Amino acid sequence: DAGVTQSPTHLIKTRGQHVTLRCSPISGHKSVSWYQQVLGQGPQFIFQYYEKEERGRGNFPDRFSARQFPNYSSELNVNALLLGDSALYLCASSRAGTISGANVLTFGAGSRLTVL
Amino acid sequence: AQRVTQPEKLLSVFKGAPVELKCNYSYSGSPELFWYVQYSRQRLQLLLRHISRESIKGFTADLNKGETSFHLKKPFAQEEDSAMYYCALRSEGQNFVFGPGTRLSVLP
Repeated sequence: DAGVTQSPTHLIKTRGQHVTLRCSPISGHKSVSWYQQVLGQGPQFIFQYYEKEERGRGNFPDRFSARQFPNYSSELNVNALLLGDSALYLCASSRAGTISGANVLTFGAGSRLTVL
Repeated sequence: AQRVTQPEKLLSVFKGAPVELKCNYSYSGSPELFWYVQYSRQRLQLLLRHISRESIKGFTADLNKGETSFHLKKPFAQEEDSAMYYCALRSEGQNFVFGPGTRLSVLP
């Protein structure tokens, strides 16, 4: 298993544009979460999806949206990009559920977004 | 509101010295606490979690509900422990809240 994979690894956009980031979870993991990590800060929760349904949403504007597909992969979309959206976007997957270890997050390497 | 604080941005210790990375949290429910670590040019990875009560790479952490703390400790630091350490809390709503992180630098 390649672990959690994210694409693209780096991208540069200009203000007002739209971006789509993609994530493939570890095989067998049904939950995907998205985090934003601004330089010098810890990851901040954006969304969690489980079985294609949104299970949680952080304090982010409606410009941020996400979805999960039947194969459990996920996309994060950000519209009308602002300079402040420049960050590392991390995807994490977990088995979810009540079994021991189910809620441990396994992270991808991230997609670094630069907004000019 | 859930919050995780890590008071030290940078902690420098000499090899062989004890190390303690502090973590405090605020949460009204019953939390799960984790430590995640990011080594240079590697992805964020789980170090340990409080419910396992295990020692990983010589590190331990005890959940103190009275002091709402989950400090990470190691009796003898090694140079390979140099990394960014994040304390995280998982709420009953299943979302993780991360602290700002502490950079540990172990000097030779």
